Amino acid sequence: SAVISQKPSRDICQRGTSLTIQCQVDSQVTMMFWYRQQPGQSLTLIATANQGSEATYESGFVIDKFPISRPNLTFSTLTVSNMSPEDSSIYLCSAGSGSSTDTQYFGPGTRLTVL
Amino acid sequence: GESVGLHLPTLSVQEGDNSIINCAYSNSASDYFIWYKQESGKGPQFIIDIRSNMDKRQGQRVTVLLNKTVKHLSLQIAATQPGDSAVYFCAERSGGSYIPTFGRGTSLIVHP
Repeated sequence: SAVISQKPSRDICQRGTSLTIQCQVDSQVTMMFWYRQQPGQSLTLIATANQGSEATYESGFVIDKFPISRPNLTFSTLTVSNMSPEDSSIYLCSAGSGSSTDTQYFGPGTRLTVL
Repeated sequence: GESVGLHLPTLSVQEGDNSIINCAYSNSASDYFIWYKQESGKGPQFIIDIRSNMDKRQGQRVTVLLNKTVKHLSLQIAATQPGDSAVYFCAERSGGSYIPTFGRGTSLIVHP
């Protein structure tokens, strides 16, 4: 299994500003993902962070709003741009080997509140 | 699209009782199922998984049952403890995709 950390753990931001969330994995992983979880809701995949290339976004999420970087096999960032109160959510990083015999592991999440 | 859902959004049990959390899925091509536990303020934590060629798998105090005929998955927790209080998500993968589809979640509340 992989141990995943995220920074910051929580933040309160003003609308119109941007926040970058960092995700660090304690070992090299093939695949990294970013999810959003609204309070009391399930997880929604934002994008797959690809090492050395542009992220793959799910329907409803775009690069201009959620730019993602993945400079190496252990680190990724998600930026929430031009925030509005609707962006208030928990943002989760996950990672895994991509093997059919392996599952994803999750970070502790970043709780974002936009005022 | 395909969906994975849970029958009960909240389950309250007494400490020491057995808990059963249910999950229905609709994608007949699903071949791998996972249960996650999410405690308040934390990310989802892997509990147990099962492949479609099995109908039962046991872990420590947990058992997952899979009924492919009716597309139903359950998580049984034996001798439930207060530390088991959390939201439990089922998730499924299919067609070789590594990315799971998550269900709605069930909140388990264990009363001392």
